[in-house]
Amino acid sequence: GENVEQHPSTLSVQEGDSAVIKCTYSDSASNYFPWYKQELGKRPQLIIDIRSNVGEKKDQRIAVTLNKTAKHFSLHITETQPEDSAVYFCAASIWHDMRFGAGTRLTVKP
Amino acid sequence: ETGVTQSPTHLIKTRGQQVTLRCSSQSGHNTVSWYQQALGQGPQFIFQYYREEENGRGNFPPRFSGLQFPNYSSELNVNALELDDSALYLCASSAGPAPEQYFGPGTRLTVT
Repeated sequence: GENVEQHPSTLSVQEGDSAVIKCTYSDSASNYFPWYKQELGKRPQLIIDIRSNVGEKKDQRIAVTLNKTAKHFSLHITETQPEDSAVYFCAASIWHDMRFGAGTRLTVKP
Repeated sequence: ETGVTQSPTHLIKTRGQQVTLRCSSQSGHNTVSWYQQALGQGPQFIFQYYREEENGRGNFPPRFSGLQFPNYSSELNVNALELDDSALYLCASSAGPAPEQYFGPGTRLTVT
């Protein structure tokens, strides 16, 4: 089955800096790649996603890139703010079967 | 538009007991997926229900079972609870074939 690896496990940046989180997946049939943000004690929130027929997608300060050949995708957050502090999960999906990475704890220091 | 809701919020059970968790999907969504999230880990796919039938299953034993009702709400049942079943159980709903899933707040299950 699909296996998703996520790096780094923790990331600390200064407010205003950029943050990059990387994921790799194993199954070339995966066709949907969402990113979720989970604050402490709260539900995972879908923040951005990308489908396999697109290489890059941007939404304000957040962008995701996908390299299907290398089977990796990345989340980029620019101009980070303290409220961006949370655990971020990547996932790879083949239709109904969604597999998550282990998460990255992002801390943005004011 | 109503979001995904789950009940109960917290639950404490004894090893060997059975538990039922409930999920109401977001308005307009007919597909429900269930996940187990152990502390410090990503959600693990248990199974998905679409139009009242199981539409895929992750690597979980048969003692994890589910139902979906005509109003698209869903139940997760776990029999013969084990200590390792202690986790946050999340459900997520989606609209038919669309892959975007939206999560409920989860049920925190503790098995002692």
